[in-house]
Amino acid sequence: KQEVTQIPAALSVPEGENLVLNCSFTDSAIYNLQWFRQDPGKGLTSLLLIQSSQREQTSGRLNASLDKSSGRSTLYIAASQPGDSATYLCAASGNTPLVFGKGTRLSVIA
Amino acid sequence: GAVVSQHPSWVICKSGTSVKIECRSLDFQATTMFWYRQFPKQSLMLMATSNEGSKATYEQGVEKDKFLINHASLTLSTLTVTSAHPEDSSFYICSARDSQGTTGNTIYFGEGSWLTVV
Repeated sequence: KQEVTQIPAALSVPEGENLVLNCSFTDSAIYNLQWFRQDPGKGLTSLLLIQSSQREQTSGRLNASLDKSSGRSTLYIAASQPGDSATYLCAASGNTPLVFGKGTRLSVIA
Repeated sequence: GAVVSQHPSWVICKSGTSVKIECRSLDFQATTMFWYRQFPKQSLMLMATSNEGSKATYEQGVEKDKFLINHASLTLSTLTVTSAHPEDSSFYICSARDSQGTTGNTIYFGEGSWLTVV
């Protein structure tokens, strides 16, 4: 059964810092891995989707990598801004429906 | 890009009543839809997998008679919370699998529904 773990659970950084969020999964037989953002009281916003055949995806200041063999993905946020403050979730999609991690709560301090 | 519409976004209902949440895939056919629930400060947990034209598959611990799921068409799945109680207050979100999309097996999410039972 797929299990997804996210470290750290919470992170607070000063504005402008680069940061890395980590996601690990136990079953490497995935179709893809997605990173989402969730703001308080809001739904999910899809940030990046990495297909199993890909190594990384980039969108603006965000870069997500995928290493299937080690069961790991990272989300790199460059030059963080207060508006980046949110909970970031990763989710692995495979033969079972999407399995989510518990998320990392990010606070970017101005 | 593909869009999944979920309605309503917010709903308040009285204890003992039922409430229905709709999930629609707007520009693709979804033979499979998924319903998740998220309690405060918890991860999203899968409740059930909804397959068009057949009965939903519920995850362990989810009461199928309380959370009725109907997937009558390729673009619509509904979740009905029957005889709602305050402990059912939660964030419910659906997703749909676009198995025919260019990227294959991509899952798209609705915006979620906040249910408050008073």
